[in-house]
Amino acid sequence: DTAVSQTPKYLVTQMGNDKSIKCEQNLGHDTMYWYKQDSKKFLKIMFSYNNKELIINETVPNRFSPKSPDKAHLNLHINSLELGDSAVYFCATRAAGGPAEQYFGPGTRLTVT
Amino acid sequence: LAKTTQPISMDSYEGQEVNITCSHNNIATNDYITWYQQFPSQGPRFIIQGYKTKVTNEVASLFIPADRKSSTLSLPRVSLSDTAVYYCLVGKDGLVDNTDKLIFGTGTRLQVFP
Repeated sequence: DTAVSQTPKYLVTQMGNDKSIKCEQNLGHDTMYWYKQDSKKFLKIMFSYNNKELIINETVPNRFSPKSPDKAHLNLHINSLELGDSAVYFCATRAAGGPAEQYFGPGTRLTVT
Repeated sequence: LAKTTQPISMDSYEGQEVNITCSHNNIATNDYITWYQQFPSQGPRFIIQGYKTKVTNEVASLFIPADRKSSTLSLPRVSLSDTAVYYCLVGKDGLVDNTDKLIFGTGTRLQVFP
């Protein structure tokens, strides 16, 4: 059983398109995150959701819109994709009030051409 | 937010002990120190967290001096499979906690040779 899963694993698309990345967790955790890791391997937080409520929006362009239909899912929708959006996107979870560790998904490699 | 500084890369051989030091001079009183490991094409994985002195688990040890301005991750007897990037993070509970943020630095790329 995969604790945190993401789909798709790879996504190649053209500039201007709209795409979504899905994240699902079966850990029962209350908090979920999206991170972006660029080509230089810098890993930066984008969003944090706690119980379906947006907690952190880390100066991400409003072309990026997270959506949490329920506690187990946090999807990332990206409008009007740009070349600079090419990166690996990681979903992560953490138990609220629990130990410090976050559980990361396998990542989605997005390539915008 | 406390910034962390780590060596960009380190090399080691199988069976050796590896110590990776992280500097965090402006660590706050309620900050914890957390280390993550990231293999190529995978998400980061939690290794260990500590506040002061020494913490040990089945994977590593974390040494934190009294002033807490630095910390050292110790990996005993590394193997080829320990080749990865190791991140040192400092923050409240080491993680995002509603108003706090998780900040990953550049990490240390550890290469283990046979």
